Amino acid sequence: KAGVTQTPRYLIKTRGQQVTLSCSPISGHRSVSWYQQTPGQGLQFLFEYFSETQRNKGNFPGRFSGRQFSNSRSEMNVSTLELGDSALYLCASGGTERKETQYFGPGTRLLVL
Amino acid sequence: GENVEQHPSTLSVQEGDSAVIKCTYSDSASNYFPWYKQELGKRPQLIIDIRSNVGEKKDQRIAVTLNKTAKHFSLHITETQPEDSAVYFCAASRTGGTSYGKLTFGQGTILTVHP
Repeated sequence: KAGVTQTPRYLIKTRGQQVTLSCSPISGHRSVSWYQQTPGQGLQFLFEYFSETQRNKGNFPGRFSGRQFSNSRSEMNVSTLELGDSALYLCASGGTERKETQYFGPGTRLLVL
Repeated sequence: GENVEQHPSTLSVQEGDSAVIKCTYSDSASNYFPWYKQELGKRPQLIIDIRSNVGEKKDQRIAVTLNKTAKHFSLHITETQPEDSAVYFCAASRTGGTSYGKLTFGQGTILTVHP
């Protein structure tokens, strides 16, 4: 099976702009989780979607949002970008048999100038 | 919410030595504990995981132990090799119902294996 894919891989934006990141899970996986990775804060959970519904949400401001489509692909959106949003954004997909096991995509590196 | 503490933050060993990384968690309801390895510029890769109904799990040179009473778990790597050099993350989560999909990570351990 193909692994988790994310697009784009790199992105440069300026403060105040918005950005949309995309994640395609492993075929057959219905759960997609998003994480933010920074040197200072490490890996932090953003939110998780399952069957087009947000099941869990981390402690991030409302500027961070997401959605999931019927084919399990997911997008996350960050509005009104701030310098502190510069990070590696990782998505992970979860299987149906071992639901708790998550497999990560390569990430989207976002730089906000 | 859950909090995971990971130690040490850096670990340097000689090739062939063993390496041990320790994590403690706060949520007694957590019952799934994976370990990820992240090489520079790469995605985190699951290397081993353990569930709370098991005390120890081994996979070749890698083992994980879990002490539910003390709420801590450890990663053991034996006969280390230079290719084991990476950042290792522990994580914890609850499972069941809507709890799937939310991992709380430790801060990571930079492991360097010197030839």
